[in-house]
Amino acid sequence: DAGVTQSPTHLIKTRGQHVTLRCSPISGHKSVSWYQQVLGQGPQFIFQYYEKEERGRGNFPDRFSARQFPNYSSELNVNALLLGDSALYLCASSLAPPDRGPFIPGNTIYFGEGSWLTVV
Amino acid sequence: QQPVQSPQAVILREGEDAVINCSSSKALYSVHWYRQKHGEAPVFLMILLKGGEQKGHEKISASFNEKKQQSSLYLTASQLSYSGTYFCGTELYKLSFGAGTTVTVRA
Repeated sequence: DAGVTQSPTHLIKTRGQHVTLRCSPISGHKSVSWYQQVLGQGPQFIFQYYEKEERGRGNFPDRFSARQFPNYSSELNVNALLLGDSALYLCASSLAPPDRGPFIPGNTIYFGEGSWLTVV
Repeated sequence: QQPVQSPQAVILREGEDAVINCSSSKALYSVHWYRQKHGEAPVFLMILLKGGEQKGHEKISASFNEKKQQSSLYLTASQLSYSGTYFCGTELYKLSFGAGTTVTVRA
């Protein structure tokens, strides 16, 4: 079975531009999360979506937005790019939403290979 | 709030053991462990749930002390393939990751 797929894998943007990153979750997974990983740090939570609804938002500015489509794929949009937005953007999928509790194995999340964004 | 991992880095020879610790200031539902190799995405290793359930991977095991809000990852008889950065993720509605522990295993 295919894992989490993300596109594009690498991209370079100029400050002030807009970027859209795409993610397809594992088949059957309805929950998608986005993480930003700056070099040398752990992934930082940006958004979580389940059944097209936003279920969680991290401490990121309004320039960051996301949505989930009926087929459970997702897009992350970042406007007015800054140099500090340069990072690896990870999409993760899981079977169950977070608020179903800790005892359901589906809460395991699986990461895609990520999209490397460089802002110059 | 992010969990705190220690040590920041460890260097091992093949066959040696190591322990990576993860602690949180908040009560946790579960702890997740991931390994990330340079230039790659994090790969799921295991999840530890409240109640003491522990699920291991290869020769890597972990424990979860709910009262202390701590988890430890045990690398036993390390192999070259164990090299990478290990992240713990603590779950309370979302996963919050620590800064990572870089493990280098040398022949």
